[in-house]
Amino acid sequence: ETGVTQTPRHLVMGMTNKKSLKCEQHLGHNAMYWYKQSAKKPLELMFVYNFKEQTENNSVPSRFSPECPNSSHLFLHLHTLQPEDSALYLCASSLHGTGGTGELFFGEGSRLTVL
Amino acid sequence: AQSVTQLDSQVPVFEEAPVELRCNYSSSVSVYLFWYVQYPNQGLQLLLKYLSGSTLVESINGFEAEFNKSQTSFHLRKPSVHISDTAEYFCAVRADDMRFGAGTRLTVKP
Repeated sequence: ETGVTQTPRHLVMGMTNKKSLKCEQHLGHNAMYWYKQSAKKPLELMFVYNFKEQTENNSVPSRFSPECPNSSHLFLHLHTLQPEDSALYLCASSLHGTGGTGELFFGEGSRLTVL
Repeated sequence: AQSVTQLDSQVPVFEEAPVELRCNYSSSVSVYLFWYVQYPNQGLQLLLKYLSGSTLVESINGFEAEFNKSQTSFHLRKPSVHISDTAEYFCAVRADDMRFGAGTRLTVKP
């Protein structure tokens, strides 16, 4: 199994749909992250969870709702998205969260297209 | 908060030529520095990192980067590139959270 697994890899949804992205890490890490990757822009940090507690919400619109039931699983619930939300959504994990020194381990991403 | 600037959005080079991908950062506190690589339709993979100690760090596939504190830089170099090095390269800085540059697309031509 790969260290960080994301499903689905591809998702197409209408603006009125509700869908969820799932991320699972098998590395025993304590922190998990959602990043948004859009063309020609730096990766945007969206949310950080450390020991299941949200430690950062980087001014993300409420149509994105994260959920972290345990240190191994992270969800991103999507509702009434806009076409500009189309992007690659990357999940990552690290041994420690905010203030840690180690690298992040990334999943392969979920490519979201909003019609 | 810290920030990262990758000075070149695209770098085309011929196979076996040397390459340098530039990265500068700003931070009011000590930072840890990383280079990640992203191949098409994949996530980011760690290439190398600087946490402490020797300012020159190397990867297993021939890349190296040097931490220069006075110039706040962490440029990535390889003396001879291969076609397979074609990818997007991201410089990242970690103080509290990990912040990434906009990326440099390296294209190696035959």
